[in-house]
Amino acid sequence: GAGVSQSPSNKVTEKGKDVELRCDPISGHTALYWYRQRLGQGLEFLIYFQGNSAPDKSGLPSDRFSAERTGESVSTLTIQRTQQEDSAVYLCASSLARGGVGNIQYFGAGTRLSVL
Amino acid sequence: RKEVEQDPGPFNVPEGATVAFNCTYSNSASQSFFWYRQDCRKEPKLLMSVYSSGNEDGRFTAQLNRASQYISLLIRDSKLSDSATYLCVVTTGGSYIPTFGRGTSLIVHP
Repeated sequence: GAGVSQSPSNKVTEKGKDVELRCDPISGHTALYWYRQRLGQGLEFLIYFQGNSAPDKSGLPSDRFSAERTGESVSTLTIQRTQQEDSAVYLCASSLARGGVGNIQYFGAGTRLSVL
Repeated sequence: RKEVEQDPGPFNVPEGATVAFNCTYSNSASQSFFWYRQDCRKEPKLLMSVYSSGNEDGRFTAQLNRASQYISLLIRDSKLSDSATYLCVVTTGGSYIPTFGRGTSLIVHP
């Protein structure tokens, strides 16, 4: 596609429910990243996928968070038993993961998650 | 010390002003540097890459000082539309996970 696509754009859920967020990266981009951005805060790295390598999950805040990606295509971020502190914008980005300008990340518009 | 530090601002300047932001990084092995722009309630978008020799794109000039481990962004002739948060992004050699600064808020007023 032309850019990184995320769905849904907004999600309202009740505390304790599970949610699944989706990201379609730019075609040909081997690297995919998930970030969380709370209101008025900076970007918080969650997880990184690179091709078929094992993902870097070092940023996941708890075992309630998980993500999957099949090959170099779509990724889903799942949050189980959502808590109010999970309320944030979840941003997905993709890149070519090469040196120099290959490190440029292209972001989706994000999913705004509200946990009531 | 945080890996990438920025003055959060806000920088409040009149139209036409020149404004400069600095960003310091702690890892001397850092290799790739970028400035991103994030508008309110929008996703970050690349503004410009930062090259060792410095680079200019219209009213925007980016520079890298490896010895002092900082990058800078200079905006000349500020426009109302420049109002946004400017994010400094650094990638260390061997890693494709960039580190984002918290951002510097710029408000350009009439």
